[in-house]
Amino acid sequence: KAGVTQTPRYLIKTRGQQVTLSCSPISGHRSVSWYQQTPGQGLQFLFEYFSETQRNKGNFPGRFSGRQFSNSRSEMNVSTLELGDSALYLCASSLGGAGHYEQYFGPGTRLTVT
Amino acid sequence: QKEVEQDPGPLSVPEGAIVSLNCTYSNSAFQYFMWYRQYSRKGPELLMYTYSSGNKEDGRFTAQVDKSSKYISLFIRDSQPSDSATYLCAMSALEYGNKLVFGAGTILRVKS
Repeated sequence: KAGVTQTPRYLIKTRGQQVTLSCSPISGHRSVSWYQQTPGQGLQFLFEYFSETQRNKGNFPGRFSGRQFSNSRSEMNVSTLELGDSALYLCASSLGGAGHYEQYFGPGTRLTVT
Repeated sequence: QKEVEQDPGPLSVPEGAIVSLNCTYSNSAFQYFMWYRQYSRKGPELLMYTYSSGNKEDGRFTAQVDKSSKYISLFIRDSQPSDSATYLCAMSALEYGNKLVFGAGTILRVKS
């Protein structure tokens, strides 16, 4: 079974621009969560989508948004990029539904904002 | 104070040693406990997933959870140079949904 895939793997953007990252979960998984990883703050939860609905949200500004499609693929968008948005963005997929399930991470998208 | 505390290391051990990695936490609602391994420039890889207190063993890895002390551990037996990586503990509560709260990660170096 294929793992979680994320595209693109690397991105360089300029401050003020916007960016869209994509995540394809493991086949059969319906929940996708997004995390930001930085050296200073570690791994922090951004949001979770299940059945095309945002189910949970972390403490990030409204510039960070996401969506999920009917095939469970998810995208996240960051608008008006700031230098501090430079990070590894990770998505994790799980079965979803009621209860708690194991989460499997993709390789991440490394975003550099200049 | 962070919800999950983890010593960032680095922890350096000789090949074949038993490695002990630990995390403490403050939120008594946490019920699900995970250990992930992350190699440089890769995504985290799930090693162990446990629910509530107790031990779980998988090959050379043993996870322990002591909810009364709010303390979790990961033991690695017969450590290998290929185990050199960052080890992240993560926790969640049912009311958190799928949100995971991570420790800072411990850098482990196994010397051959």
